[in-house]
Amino acid sequence: DVKVTQSSRYLVKRTGEKVFLECVQDMDHENMFWYRQDPGLGLRLIYFSYDVKMKEKGDIPEGYSVSREKKERFSLILESASTNQTSMYLCASSLGGSYNEQFFGPGTRLTVL
Amino acid sequence: DAKTTQPNSMESNEEEPVHLPCNHSTISGTDYIHWYRQLPSQGPEYVIHGLTSNVNNRMASLAIAEDRKSSTLILHRATLRDAAVYYCILRDCLIFIWSDYKLSFGAGTTVTVRA
Repeated sequence: DVKVTQSSRYLVKRTGEKVFLECVQDMDHENMFWYRQDPGLGLRLIYFSYDVKMKEKGDIPEGYSVSREKKERFSLILESASTNQTSMYLCASSLGGSYNEQFFGPGTRLTVL
Repeated sequence: DAKTTQPNSMESNEEEPVHLPCNHSTISGTDYIHWYRQLPSQGPEYVIHGLTSNVNNRMASLAIAEDRKSSTLILHRATLRDAAVYYCILRDCLIFIWSDYKLSFGAGTTVTVRA
C-alpha cells in the first residue's frame, strides 16, 4: 500500500514563527501536493511539485514556500506564521500524469496563536 | 473540470449495501470518474475510478451509465468504518495546465451507517 506520512498530526505555533511541515511518500511518486482544508472552503491547493526541485504555485501560495530536494520528500514552509494560517494541512502524492489517483497523508492540524 | 451533483446525505444500516449516485451530464470523452472519501479527522482516501466500464476493487464497485452522464458508487456491505463524506469528481486525462492537477471537491455525500 502507498504510504504518505506527515511529520506531525497536531502543531501549535505562535504568530511570526517559522513553521516546517514535512511529508514523505514511499512509492516513488513523481507528483506531490500540499493542500489546506477549511470548513466551507473545501480543499485548496497551495503548491504542487512534479519532480525534484520543480514546483508550481497552486491557488493560495501567498505566505508559503516549498522545498523538494529528494523525490520522496516535500516540505511546506510557513515563513512567518499568521493566525489565518490556522488550518488542516494535507499532503498528497501521485504517479505522473494528471488523472492518476492521489494518496493523502493523515493531515497536520496547525493552530497559530 | 466538469461539474458533478451528489445528494447531500444518505443513511444505511450496517451490513446493507449503499448506492451513492453521481450526476455528471456535461462529462467529456476524456474525463475519468473518480471517487474519494474522507473519514472524520482524516485525510481524503482514494476509493475507485473508471472511464466507461464498470469497475470493482476491494473497497467498492463503480457502475457507469452507458451514456456516462451518471455513475453509482456501490459499497456492498456497509460497516461503521464506511461512515464518511464521499466525493465524486471528474479528472480529465488531457490536462496541460499544472494547476488543473489539483483535486477540487464539492460538498460530497455524507454517509451515515447505523449499527
